[in-house]
Amino acid sequence: QSALSQPASVSGSPGQSITISCTGTSSDVGSYNLVSWYQHHPGRAPKVMIFEVNRRPSGVSNRFSASKSGNKASLTISGLQAEDEADYYCCSYAAGSFWVFGGGTKLTVL
Amino acid sequence: QVQLVQSGAEVKKPGASVKVSCKASGYTFSDYAIHWVRQAPGQSLEWMGWIHAGTGNRKLSQNFQGRVTISRDTTADTAYMELSSLTSEDTAVYFCARVVTGYFEYWGQGTLVTVSS
Repeated sequence: QSALSQPASVSGSPGQSITISCTGTSSDVGSYNLVSWYQHHPGRAPKVMIFEVNRRPSGVSNRFSASKSGNKASLTISGLQAEDEADYYCCSYAAGSFWVFGGGTKLTVL
Repeated sequence: QVQLVQSGAEVKKPGASVKVSCKASGYTFSDYAIHWVRQAPGQSLEWMGWIHAGTGNRKLSQNFQGRVTISRDTTADTAYMELSSLTSEDTAVYFCARVVTGYFEYWGQGTLVTVSS
């Protein structure tokens, strides 16, 4: 099981928008609408920001949105804020009842 | 409220095994699966496997080549992850998490396992 592919880092200035991509295969992202995104600060438990491709849990800012096309999912954060600086991981259910995470993307707010 | 409380940090020698526990509260333990995820220093999150607390059905990542065992004790509302033949590359924070409708909703606080001679 190979990790989903994410850019190692992205950056943006406060108020700007950024998009993080997550590329999988037809055995995971491409076949299931069970893609989720997590915000992770080292030393703490990850926090879900998006589930089922584009749904936001209660309490998550509507500045976070996501989509999927084919084998590629994307997370967009609009109106960047300093507090958004963190590591972001995508995750997908995969054929055979497996799960796979992305390699993670470090977001820097300039 | 749902809580997953993990056992404390461990220091192990290469070749040894480690067993991490995850005690659930605030919900019916047998109704959900518990997953295990780890993060080595400077590395990404890595899914290890899951066990359904009620049925005992489980699925393990092939990346661990049979070194990982996941179990549960329904009388204690606790899940366990045991990793054998430890090497320095197994030094990581290990998390348990409850999955609902396709995402990791609740997480334990993490358990640091350090493998060092």
